[in-house]
Amino acid sequence: GEDVEQSLFLSVREGDSSVINCTYTDSSSTYLYWYKQEPGAGLQLLTYIFSNMDMKQDQRLTVLLNKKDKHLSLRIADTQTGDSAIYFCAEFAGGYNKLIFGAGTRLAVHP
Amino acid sequence: DAMVIQNPRYQVTQFGKPVTLSCSQTLNHNVMYWYQQKSSQAPKLLFHYYDKDFNNEADTPDNFQSRRPNTSFCFLDIRSPGLGDAAMYLCATSREGTDYEQYFGPGTRLTVT
Repeated sequence: GEDVEQSLFLSVREGDSSVINCTYTDSSSTYLYWYKQEPGAGLQLLTYIFSNMDMKQDQRLTVLLNKKDKHLSLRIADTQTGDSAIYFCAEFAGGYNKLIFGAGTRLAVHP
Repeated sequence: DAMVIQNPRYQVTQFGKPVTLSCSQTLNHNVMYWYQQKSSQAPKLLFHYYDKDFNNEADTPDNFQSRRPNTSFCFLDIRSPGLGDAAMYLCATSREGTDYEQYFGPGTRLTVT
């Protein structure tokens, strides 16, 4: 079966970098995603990476994919208070044609 | 702006009283999804439509039904809500062929009293 795991909580100081980690089990996943959810809101797609890539950078966001270890990370440079939210890792399980989400990592940014 | 709209944003219903949640989209996407997200948990797919083709997840309770009268609208019907059905319900859309790119609405938070 498919499973996505991520740590539940991360606290960082404003201005530091944040790194949120995720592991997945489905080796046939073609796309891997990071979504952001602010309190009471829906899911905002931050970025996604195709499984044949190792890295993707988009402004302050850097996604690293280690396909051998089935490990995905999201690095947020110069973390701001507005980055405080829950971050969900997800995989597109092509065999099932659906997104499988992790339980989310709550990022708290403090001064 | 093209978007996914969910109404209402907050819904309160009584135990056992049928309730309908609504989703509409202006993206003209032919695939629409309903996810359930319980507190502090991952969103979980309930079912989805490819055009008018309904695809139910194996573990979605019979209590949950869906209707899609046209491309733009999709409804989630909960026939007899229980306390365990209190959750955020998220609607998403995608275009067939790019199912990996799903666009989410803001969600409807359902409270069951």
